[in-house]
Amino acid sequence: EAGVTQSPTHLIKTRGQQATLRCSPISGHTSVYWYQQALGLGLQFLLWYDEGEERNRGNFPPRFSGRQFPNYSSELNVNALELEDSALYLCASSQLAGVGEQYFGPGTRLTVT
Amino acid sequence: QKEVEQNSGPLSVPEGAIASLNCTYSDRGSQSFFWYRQYSGKSPELIMSIYSNGDKEDGRFTAQLNKASQYVSLLIRDSQPSDSATYLCAPNSGYSTLTFGKGTMLLVSP
Repeated sequence: EAGVTQSPTHLIKTRGQQATLRCSPISGHTSVYWYQQALGLGLQFLLWYDEGEERNRGNFPPRFSGRQFPNYSSELNVNALELEDSALYLCASSQLAGVGEQYFGPGTRLTVT
Repeated sequence: QKEVEQNSGPLSVPEGAIASLNCTYSDRGSQSFFWYRQYSGKSPELIMSIYSNGDKEDGRFTAQLNKASQYVSLLIRDSQPSDSATYLCAPNSGYSTLTFGKGTMLLVSP
């Protein structure tokens, strides 16, 4: 069974630009979660999508947004990039929304210069 | 503010020993608990989940949960050098938000 996939692996952007990160969940999983792991800050919850709807978001500004497509894949958009947005962005998926086990993809390393 | 506390370590144990990793959490509404292993530069890998008080064993791993004390632990028996990683505790208090601790770094020396 294929795991969660993410693209691109690495992304380098300039401050003020926009970044788009993509995620495909495990087959049969309908919930997709996005997390940010910045150096020294640990994993921070960003967004949760289930059945195409945003169900919850963490304490991040509105320039972090995303969507989930009918095939349950998802993209995360970060507008007006700032230097502190440099981090590993992780996508996870679960079969059961709410309390299910979450499985992570390999992540996208975003570097903002 | 939901908080998850873990000793940052490093926790150093010799090969073959038992490694004990501890975690306390603040949200009494937490219903499910997960342990993830993260190697340097890699993404977290789910290794254990526990939903009710008591012990749950899976191979060399045992998770222990005490909801009254808001405490969850992970024991790794017969530790191997390949177990050297950062271990993340993550309670789920509902609405699908995992709150992660900053993790405990485990070093297993040959």
